[in-house]
Amino acid sequence: EAQVTQNPRYLITVTGKKLTVTCSQNMNHEYMSWYRQDPGLGLRQIYYSMNVEVTDKGDVPEGYKVSRKEKRNFPLILESPSPNQTSLYFCASSLSGSGRQYEQYFGPGTRLTVT
Amino acid sequence: DAKTTQPTSMDCAEGRAANLPCNHSTISGNEYVYWYRQIHSQGPQYIIHGLKNNETNEMASLIITEDRKSSTLILPHATLRDTAVYYCIVPLYNFNKFYFGSGTKLNVKP
Repeated sequence: EAQVTQNPRYLITVTGKKLTVTCSQNMNHEYMSWYRQDPGLGLRQIYYSMNVEVTDKGDVPEGYKVSRKEKRNFPLILESPSPNQTSLYFCASSLSGSGRQYEQYFGPGTRLTVT
Repeated sequence: DAKTTQPTSMDCAEGRAANLPCNHSTISGNEYVYWYRQIHSQGPQYIIHGLKNNETNEMASLIITEDRKSSTLILPHATLRDTAVYYCIVPLYNFNKFYFGSGTKLNVKP
């Protein structure tokens, strides 16, 4: 089954404790992206990757890191989480080029709470 | 991205067609119109996209006006499971960032 998986689905952590949210897709997609969703602010793009070793900032990259060492994986790293990073996070993937990066498959979401 | 304008919310009776409008008057000639939906806190789901011809798939139909300044997503027989936020997006051609906007909350009622 074609899918995007995220782990963990729920996480409660404390300020400053480094964490990683994993994202994996089994569709051989080149394009992958991370979004956060907050009430009243909608979905905002954090980082995206056009292919292995190619990443770029979205609209709200501050406080986040990403890496793309393998095509199927695109982890989101919070080196020193803060309460304002409490949010619902989504990973997405798609083919790339000629507009195909806009037909994205989304993961189920990770609900992160930073206290 | 070309700016899109959608109503904040709409109601639809179960079994009836749901027609969701979107205004994108600044759209350029090579920009597509994409529609996604998000069912309560689930990951958004791609529905359909089009350039200038009407499009139909197993989920919905997309009607784009001849001047391309507006479009309508049609769910032909809405069910309770179609209750969701529907996003109309016009990404800048071959631009790799993606903006969702506020969308329309569709309430399908029994």
